[in-house]
Amino acid sequence: KQEVTQIPAALSVPEGENLVLNCSFTDSAIYNLQWFRQDPGKGLTSLLLIQSSQREQTSGRLNASLDKSSGRSTLYIAASQPGDSATYLCAAPPASGSARQLTFGSGTQLTVLP
Amino acid sequence: GAGVSQSPSNKVTEKGKDVELRCDPISGHTALYWYRQRLGQGLEFLIYFQGNSAPDKSGLPSDRFSAERTGESVSTLTIQRTQQEDSAVYLCASSLGRFSQETQYFGPGTRLLVL
Repeated sequence: KQEVTQIPAALSVPEGENLVLNCSFTDSAIYNLQWFRQDPGKGLTSLLLIQSSQREQTSGRLNASLDKSSGRSTLYIAASQPGDSATYLCAAPPASGSARQLTFGSGTQLTVLP
Repeated sequence: GAGVSQSPSNKVTEKGKDVELRCDPISGHTALYWYRQRLGQGLEFLIYFQGNSAPDKSGLPSDRFSAERTGESVSTLTIQRTQQEDSAVYLCASSLGRFSQETQYFGPGTRLLVL
């Protein structure tokens, strides 16, 4: 059974800092790796999706990497802003089977202080 | 364009009552998922629909939980004889369901509180 772990559980940084969020998974047979953000009282917003054959994806100030062999993914946020404050979740669906249900980590709660 | 919508946004019910939660996926998305997020915990997969195929119900926690989907549109999640441990946010997501386009788009969720 896939297990996804995120470290740290919470992080507080001053505005402008670059930061890295970590995600690890026990089963490397994943179809892709997805990063989401969740704002209080709202649903999840997809940030980046890395296919299993890819090493990284970039979107604006966000860069996500994937190392399947070590079971790790990182989300790099450059020049953090208070608006980046949210809970960040990583998730992966299995590589086999027809279903693509996501196994989620418990998230990293990020606070960017102005 | 419209995203995934869910209703109601909040639901308070008494223990033992049945509840029905609704999800409207993005038009054209053949895949639909239900997840549950208990307070302070991660999201748990409940059920998956793909087109007209039989749903994957492997995540449903008990036989009190059931879900239906009409074609490739609306889905309803029904919880019978609710228990306090059913209190959670229930999230619905949809995706195109095609290889390499598997990004799941989530609705805002239904917050269920069982008293």
